[in-house]
Parts: sequence; C-alpha cells; structure tokens
Amino acid sequence: SYELTQPPSVSVSPGQTASIPCSGDKLNYKYTSWYQQKPGQSPVLVTYQDNKRPSGIPERFSGSSSGNTATLTISGTQAMDEADYYCQTWDSSAGVFGAGTKVTVL
Amino acid sequence: QVQLVESGGGVVQPGTSLRLSCAAAAITLRSYAMHWVRQAPGKGLEWVAVISDDGINKYYAGSVKGRFTISRDNSKNTVYLQMDSLSAEDTAVYYCAKDGVGVLGHFDSWGQGALVTVSS
Repeated sequence: SYELTQPPSVSVSPGQTASIPCSGDKLNYKYTSWYQQKPGQSPVLVTYQDNKRPSGIPERFSGSSSGNTATLTISGTQAMDEADYYCQTWDSSAGVFGAGTKVTVL
Repeated sequence: QVQLVESGGGVVQPGTSLRLSCAAAAITLRSYAMHWVRQAPGKGLEWVAVISDDGINKYYAGSVKGRFTISRDNSKNTVYLQMDSLSAEDTAVYYCAKDGVGVLGHFDSWGQGALVTVSS
C-alpha cells in the first residue's frame, strides 16, 4: 500500500523557518494537502493542491512539491504554530496520511 | 462559517454495530462530497471513507471495507457512517469532513469528532 513518510518531530526557534518534508513514491504526480492539529482540536487545512492556501491561513504557511517530496514551510514561526502537522494525498481512490510531524517552537 | 456536527458515538462491545451521523449547518451538503476520517487515541489521522455529492460513488479504506458503509440523506443535510463488526482497533475519534474540490480532494472543513470506544 502507498505510504507517506514524515519526520516524527521538528524543532524551530521563534521567528525562524520550519520545513516539514513528506515523501512518497512519485508524489509530484499527485496533489498533497497539509493539516495542522493542536491538542484536543480538530485538524485544520493549511495548504492544498501542493501550494494553495485557504482563506484565513496566514501567509507564513506555504507548500511545495518536487520529485518524491512535498514540503510544508512555516516562515517566521510563531509560538502558536506549535502543533502536529499531517500531509495527505490519494492513491488508487484511497486517502493516505503521513504519520504526522510534531513541530516544537523552542 | 461551515459547521459540521457528529453524533452517535459511544461505548460498544466487540462484534456489534454503531451508526454515526454528521449534520451540517450554514451549508448545503448536497453540493459536496463528504469524508470520514478517524484518529485512534494518541495516534495519527486515518482516512476511512468518502461519498460523492449525489451518493453514487463511494470509496473505503482497506481496513474498513466490507464492514463500514457510508451514506447520505441530502434532504436531511446529513451524512452517515454505519459501522458493523466493530473491533478494538476501530476505537477512535471519528471526524466528518467536507471535500473542498471534488470527491478525492482536500478536507476543508471538519467536525469536532465523535468518540467510538469498542471494549468488552
């Protein structure tokens, strides 16, 4: 079955840039979405179709995809961005999530 | 502001059934495909199923295929997840989510989740 691989954790200092990779076979031929989930809350869509941002999501969140890797970048990371982040795509009409990356703002 | 509200969760014994509902406010669900996504305690997100806006096309995760059935009643603005032959591995918070673009798109609105606990 198709798999998406994310690092379990990423640490970043306030104001710096956090990059979260998500790798999967031929991922650049598929659309990737990213979701933010804070403890006790429902997930929130932060980017979709690789690099689009929903209304209401801050510009510091951006997505990209190249080769087998999609990347969520948080520029000028703030304390409020501390959360779990999940990438997601589709394979053979089945949804696939990465295992999630915990972003810690130190 | 789209509001999705799940209901029907609870504690059930292994081998039994449960039906979850997802009702919408401030939006007409008939125009959108809808998904169920679950999250086991302390674990990541797992996509479960999707149903097209007209209810014709349905797709399932391999882990639930043959046991779970997704359906919708557009006249009631509600989507359902019928879960049969439940096991402990189905214990999770179940979220309904609206598709933002089609049937296999992105999840642009989520409910608050319904907890299902399968335990003897």
